Amino acid sequence: AAGVIQSPRHLIKEKRETATLKCYPIPRHDTVYWYQQGPGQDPQFLISFYEKMQSDKGSIPDRFSAQQFSDYHSELNMSSLELGDSALYFCASSFSGRAYEQYFGPGTRLTVT
Amino acid sequence: AQSVAQPEDQVNVAEGNPLTVKCTYSVSGNPYLFWYVQYPNRGLQFLLKYITGDNLVKGSYGFEAEFNKSQTSFHLKKPSALVSDSALYFCAVRDRGAGGGNKLTFGTGTQLKVEL
Repeated sequence: AAGVIQSPRHLIKEKRETATLKCYPIPRHDTVYWYQQGPGQDPQFLISFYEKMQSDKGSIPDRFSAQQFSDYHSELNMSSLELGDSALYFCASSFSGRAYEQYFGPGTRLTVT
Repeated sequence: AQSVAQPEDQVNVAEGNPLTVKCTYSVSGNPYLFWYVQYPNRGLQFLLKYITGDNLVKGSYGFEAEFNKSQTSFHLKKPSALVSDSALYFCAVRDRGAGGGNKLTFGTGTQLKVEL
C-alpha cells in the first residue's frame, strides 16, 4: 500500500540557512500534519492543513511556514535555522472521513551545524 | 488540553513473557486514544486505536490495548513478547485544535526491551 513520502530523508544545513521539507500524502488523503521530534523527545505538533487551508497551528516558530498545494502535497519552509532546529520532522496524512487516523511518513532528519 | 502520560521510561521483559506498556489519559469528553511504535531512525507506525465500543482493542503484530474508563488508562499489551518488539512506544490522544483539526498529543514514550 502507498505510504506517506517525505523528502529529503536527511538534510544538513548551517546556521542561518533555509531548508524546505516536502511531504506527499497517501493518495486520497486531504489532510496533512507536521510534527517535530527533538532528540529523545516525543513528537510535537507544528501545523496542519485540510483542503489546502491551514486547520491548526501548534508550537511552530515564526521562522517556519508551510502550505499545502493543489495536489495535496505540503512543504515546510524553515528560515534562519538555529542549532535547536535539529530534529526529526514527520509528516502525517489522513482522510477527512477518518480524520483521527494519521499515517506517518518516515521523517526528514534535519541537522543544523 | 488533552494529555497522556507514560509513567515508565523503559520496560524490560523476557521473550515469551507477556508485556504491558502503561498509559493514562486526561481528556475532556470522549477520548480518542492511539498507540504508535517507532523503530530506530524510522517513522511512527500505527498499532491500534480506541474510538468507541469494546474496551479491548486488537491491533497490529499481536498487540492489544485495554481501555479502562474508571482508571483513565489505555495500557498496551501482548501475550508473548518477541525480541523484534523492542522499540519505542508512544501513546497518543486526539486533541482538537482551535481550528477544529485533529492533532495528536503524544506521551513521552516508553522504550521496550525484550531479551532472550
